[in-house]
Amino acid sequence: GDSVTQMEGPVTLSEEAFLTINCTYTATGYPSLFWYVQYPGEGLQLLLKATKADDKGSNKGFEATYRKETTSFHLEKGSVQVSDSAVYFCALRRERDTDKLIFGTGTRLQVFP
Amino acid sequence: EPEVTQTPSHQVTQMGQEVILRCVPISNHLYFYWYRQILGQKVEFLVSFYNNEISEKSEIFDDQFSVERPDGSNFTLKIRSTKLEDSAMYFCASSEDRGSYEQYFGPGTRLTVT
Repeated sequence: GDSVTQMEGPVTLSEEAFLTINCTYTATGYPSLFWYVQYPGEGLQLLLKATKADDKGSNKGFEATYRKETTSFHLEKGSVQVSDSAVYFCALRRERDTDKLIFGTGTRLQVFP
Repeated sequence: EPEVTQTPSHQVTQMGQEVILRCVPISNHLYFYWYRQILGQKVEFLVSFYNNEISEKSEIFDDQFSVERPDGSNFTLKIRSTKLEDSAMYFCASSEDRGSYEQYFGPGTRLTVT
């Protein structure tokens, strides 16, 4: 069945470091891909999305490119801030007949000053 | 900004007891969802709900689970007879429409079954 695999955390970085959180997926067809972020005490918020191959989603300095050939959707940011500390979830939704999101386990990011 | 709210934030219950988790979706949203995350595991889809009917459910959502929109604002998840393995964080979500519309999530209810 469809699934999402993302790197284990926590990821610990100093402020202004480069961030990569890896995400790969297994799905038939052309799913839509998402990154959600959860700040402490809050719900999951959509960070960015891409709906077709080679699309790049971007928001708040974060980017991810939908790579069909490697079935990946890695999250990157060039310079992280302390305020980026959160849990990041990669997710997919099949292209039709369902609205359910299929999530990875989440990766905790801790950024220190 | 409108948000999805959930109550309580933490619920402790004994095995075999019934629990009701409550959610208030965003007011103009028509589609509602429950997901859960067992500690250390993936966020899993439980059920979607539209027009007062379940539109999709997962294998997890067995006869012990039910959902209801009792009054046009709340959206509830009931577990009739809780098991230890029901301990998890339960997330409610809502969306304006299906397909490409964003699902907005609540902060979650942590359910602990002892």
